[in-house]
Amino acid sequence: TQLLEQSPQFLSIQEGENLTVYCNSSSVFSSLQWYRQEPGEGPVLLVTVVTGGEVKKLKRLTFQFGDARKDSSLHITAAQPGDTGLYLCAGVQYSSASKIIFGSGTRLSIRP
Amino acid sequence: GAGVSQSPSNKVTEKGKDVELRCDPISGHTALYWYRQSLGQGLEFLIYFQGNSAPDKSGLPSDRFSAERTGGSVSTLTIQRTQQEDSAVYLCASSPDRGYDKNIQYFGAGTRLSVL
Repeated sequence: TQLLEQSPQFLSIQEGENLTVYCNSSSVFSSLQWYRQEPGEGPVLLVTVVTGGEVKKLKRLTFQFGDARKDSSLHITAAQPGDTGLYLCAGVQYSSASKIIFGSGTRLSIRP
Repeated sequence: GAGVSQSPSNKVTEKGKDVELRCDPISGHTALYWYRQSLGQGLEFLIYFQGNSAPDKSGLPSDRFSAERTGGSVSTLTIQRTQQEDSAVYLCASSPDRGYDKNIQYFGAGTRLSVL
């Protein structure tokens, strides 16, 4: 059972455009993480959001945790080729704080 | 400092053979996870070790898969009688059980397994 659904699965846009990636679940999480993975490497944490409604900014990336703690979004402003990669959201469950559920991933490609 | 190390980085094997994948976690991290990733998709949880507690094996897809963690450090994932559908990248991650980065997973680069 996939508890975290990401959309879109694939996204190819031109450099300079804006984009939003969504991570949705019917489950409530104590916190939610976003990772980025480049080819041949493991995922690397970008951010953790903890409070419902929380917004965090990391340069051109804006992360939001839904008020009900069931969903999250990642918005990238003025995308650059260096943003290319696989973006994964991951939810930390209340029932098992150390078992983290990963989303299905969004593969992002930024064309120069 | 050293990160999570996985070996081998690539493994090609024949159907029916056994394989062992190794993971060296970050020193001092008590939690260790194994995941499987197919075709650059999301991560499929396999097994989780935390200190001396019994491992959470709920993600292992069949009894051909097993894992050990010796001395609370190095872990080995064993796949017996490999099948073609086992072909994937196997990722290991470790995490501290306390502190500001509790629940943050630090990943190795993975082992790419190809079963012919």
